[in-house]
Amino acid sequence: AQTVTQSQPEMSVQEAETVTLSCTYDTSESDYYLFWYKQPPSRQMILVIRQEAYKQQNATENRFSVNFQKAAKSFSLKISDSQLGDAAMYFCASWSRPGNTPLVFGKGTRLSVIA
Amino acid sequence: DTAVSQTPKYLVTQMGNDKSIKCEQNLGHDTMYWYKQDSKKFLKIMFSYNNKELIINETVPNRFSPKSPDKAHLNLHINSLELGDSAVYFCASSPDRNTEAFFGQGTRLTVV
Repeated sequence: AQTVTQSQPEMSVQEAETVTLSCTYDTSESDYYLFWYKQPPSRQMILVIRQEAYKQQNATENRFSVNFQKAAKSFSLKISDSQLGDAAMYFCASWSRPGNTPLVFGKGTRLSVIA
Repeated sequence: DTAVSQTPKYLVTQMGNDKSIKCEQNLGHDTMYWYKQDSKKFLKIMFSYNNKELIINETVPNRFSPKSPDKAHLNLHINSLELGDSAVYFCASSPDRNTEAFFGQGTRLTVV
């Protein structure tokens, strides 16, 4: 079974600073995907970034990047130049092949951005 | 154009009632899901359908019954609503069983 653990229930960051959200996962599969989703107060689930396990290069999307440490089963999200609009719940999630496994989420980290 | 749309966005109802939440996706995806987000924000899979066929049915009370009339729609019917059913329910879809999921805006269900 897959598990995803986010050990930081809450984090805060000053506007324009950098923050890193932690995530660890566990899966017995060799082929899997990892994701970070953002959920602002509007409730919408928004995909921030994804990482295929077979890719060694860390994924990057504008101000968002990941540090994927496969051996350590760690998948942290770095937000650079934080903006007020980044304030939200952030969920780490994993998906394994093969089979019918669903997307499994961590418990989330609430990020506050301080002006 | 909304990719995954759920109706209604808010639903307030009394205990014991039966209610439905509708979900439609216009992305042409084969797989659709229902997730429940509890008061602590934890997201848990309830059901998954692939091409109208049920493929995941987690430990969910049988008062919850999904129905997929075609692969673009996955509705959730809930019988005999209980206080503990209060939550946000998300519909999602994906082009394959193991790729990223696209979520609807969620339905906040409040049972009083």
